[in-house]
Amino acid sequence: DQQVKQNSPSLSVQEGRISILNCDYTNSMFDYFLWYKKYPAEGPTFLISISSIKDKNEDGRFTVFLNKSAKHLSLHIVPSQPGDSAVYFCLGGTGNQFYFGTGTSLTVIP
Amino acid sequence: EAEVAQSPRYKITEKSQAVAFWCDPISGHATLYWYRQILGQGPELLVQFQDESVVDDSQLPKDRFSAERLKGVDSTLKIQPAELGDSAMYLCASSLGPGRTYEQYFGPGTRLTVT
Repeated sequence: DQQVKQNSPSLSVQEGRISILNCDYTNSMFDYFLWYKKYPAEGPTFLISISSIKDKNEDGRFTVFLNKSAKHLSLHIVPSQPGDSAVYFCLGGTGNQFYFGTGTSLTVIP
Repeated sequence: EAEVAQSPRYKITEKSQAVAFWCDPISGHATLYWYRQILGQGPELLVQFQDESVVDDSQLPKDRFSAERLKGVDSTLKIQPAELGDSAMYLCASSLGPGRTYEQYFGPGTRLTVT
């Protein structure tokens, strides 16, 4: 049972444009969400998080939006840079129960 | 900058053999996680420790997998006997505390190939 889904396995964006990565979840009890970025041959690194009491959190070029009614969150990267090319995982959870999505591979084309 | 250490980085073993992975979390991190990641999928939690106690091992195949964190610091994950389907990346992560509040810091992983 995939409680967190990332339906787009890959995404290509031109440098300088906006990248939008999407994530859907099924468990309405989830009250925190995180995004991780993973480069090849490295472990995932934390990017940004959001609590269910918020609908937006911004950190520099990265903004996460949460739509609880739709059980959907998205990560916006503006402007996209070639160094952003990586696999992005979303995570949703409540208490000690959390689940990673399957990941979206982002390629930023110079 | 403090990092989560894992060894070995790569391991090739024959099926039915035993294999072990080691993880040293960031100093002061009470929570330690072991994940398995199959190519094209997200990390799957195998076991979570809070200090030396297991918090969650519901996804750990206990007939062949075992994990310990005896002194609440470093941890070992063992597979015995290894099967072909165990080929994957094994990730270790640590955090200051469990669950919602704390982000996890991941190690570089151990790439296991079972032949």
